[in-house]
Amino acid sequence: SQQGEEDPQALSIQEGENATMNCSYKTSINNLQWYRQNSGRGLVHLILIRSNEREKHSGRLRVTLDTSKKSSSLLITASRAADTASYFCATDSSRDDKIIFGKGTRLHILP
Amino acid sequence: KAGVTQTPRYLIKTRGQQVTLSCSPISGHRSVSWYQQTPGQGLQFLFEYFSETQRNKGNFPGRFSGRQFSNSRSEMNVSTLELGDSALYLCASSFNLDGYTFGSGTRLTVV
Repeated sequence: SQQGEEDPQALSIQEGENATMNCSYKTSINNLQWYRQNSGRGLVHLILIRSNEREKHSGRLRVTLDTSKKSSSLLITASRAADTASYFCATDSSRDDKIIFGKGTRLHILP
Repeated sequence: KAGVTQTPRYLIKTRGQQVTLSCSPISGHRSVSWYQQTPGQGLQFLFEYFSETQRNKGNFPGRFSGRQFSNSRSEMNVSTLELGDSALYLCASSFNLDGYTFGSGTRLTVV
């Protein structure tokens, strides 16, 4: 069963706009990670945020984590055509250390 | 340094056959995990190996098995293939679970 659920399932925005994706999860976690997947390829690790952190930045990426709400958000600022991809959150359960992925958000950047 | 290598990239098999997929992790990574990705179910965790031992297992039938060798290379085997086993199989390696590096996957089609 899925641990993380991303929202929305699909998102289309104009190039240059900001894109926000959300992830909710069910059990307590050690950390939460975000990955990007271009069509039919392997996943690329973007950023990891630990359970004791609230916000983290990496380039145009900003991730927040609210453990009380069991949710995280990924913000991509000043979007580019190359950001078109699927984005997944993955949680490392503190119960059994399994890394479980959500179903992803398909992001499409319009020129 | 070399990334995670999965072979073969594409595979077509007939129902009832068996298949073996291979994964060579990044040098120094001792954890190897396998995932099945389908449009309907997303990324489903199959199993994780660490130092030749299966450390975690997902909810897949016994037809799905794996192993890890002393050089950390891993194989997964699916016996008695079913049409529903058609998927992208992804392997990921990690040094300490703080971020996975994924291979490009093996696209398995069962006819």
